[in-house]
Amino acid sequence: RKEVEQDPGPFNVPEGATVAFNCTYSNSASQSFFWYRQDCRKEPKLLMSVYSSGNEDGRFTAQLNRASQYISLLIRDSKLSDSATYLCVVNPLGGGSNYKLTFGKGTLLTVNP
Amino acid sequence: DVKVTQSSRYLVKRTGEKVFLECVQDMDHENMFWYRQDPGLGLRLIYFSYDVKMKEKGDIPEGYSVSREKKERFSLILESASTNQTSMYLCATGTGGRKEQYFGPGTRLTVT
Repeated sequence: RKEVEQDPGPFNVPEGATVAFNCTYSNSASQSFFWYRQDCRKEPKLLMSVYSSGNEDGRFTAQLNRASQYISLLIRDSKLSDSATYLCVVNPLGGGSNYKLTFGKGTLLTVNP
Repeated sequence: DVKVTQSSRYLVKRTGEKVFLECVQDMDHENMFWYRQDPGLGLRLIYFSYDVKMKEKGDIPEGYSVSREKKERFSLILESASTNQTSMYLCATGTGGRKEQYFGPGTRLTVT
């Protein structure tokens, strides 16, 4: 099983749609989880941390299921500006330094007018 | 806001040249990281540093070295550039506590 696995997409959705991204991770000892977004030819930027109880930031909702080792990101009322690659990121404690992050390969989202 | 700067946005070097990529952060973060990003392979960690003069190998350290003489500055060195080191190089910083990392704008290096 890959350390962090995401559906690569691409996802093409109309403006206003709701879209969900899923991610699984292999290290059950992982403690910290994040979603990053990366625009074309730009650096990744932190979108939100993912907490055990789930968390919401405006149109974005992140969920964590530790039992299934599964993370999700839900985007409601998609905007054209949401078009980007979304990276699932995990801090895989154990087997090395706890400062490291493991990045999924990303899911490409295109929101169409 | 965290500010992470990288010395060049675009760089073209010849095979065999020694290449220096520099990263500077202004947030007093303990940890600094160098990644490369290639299509289909995602972000891969080359080296990281959790303190001045301290460094640890990441997943793909071969062909690279690093230097951290000051807390705010982390350099990536390609001792003898090769064409398979053509890539986007991204520097990141972070604190030990919250684990999230903040990236610089990246350097797109082409080795011919």
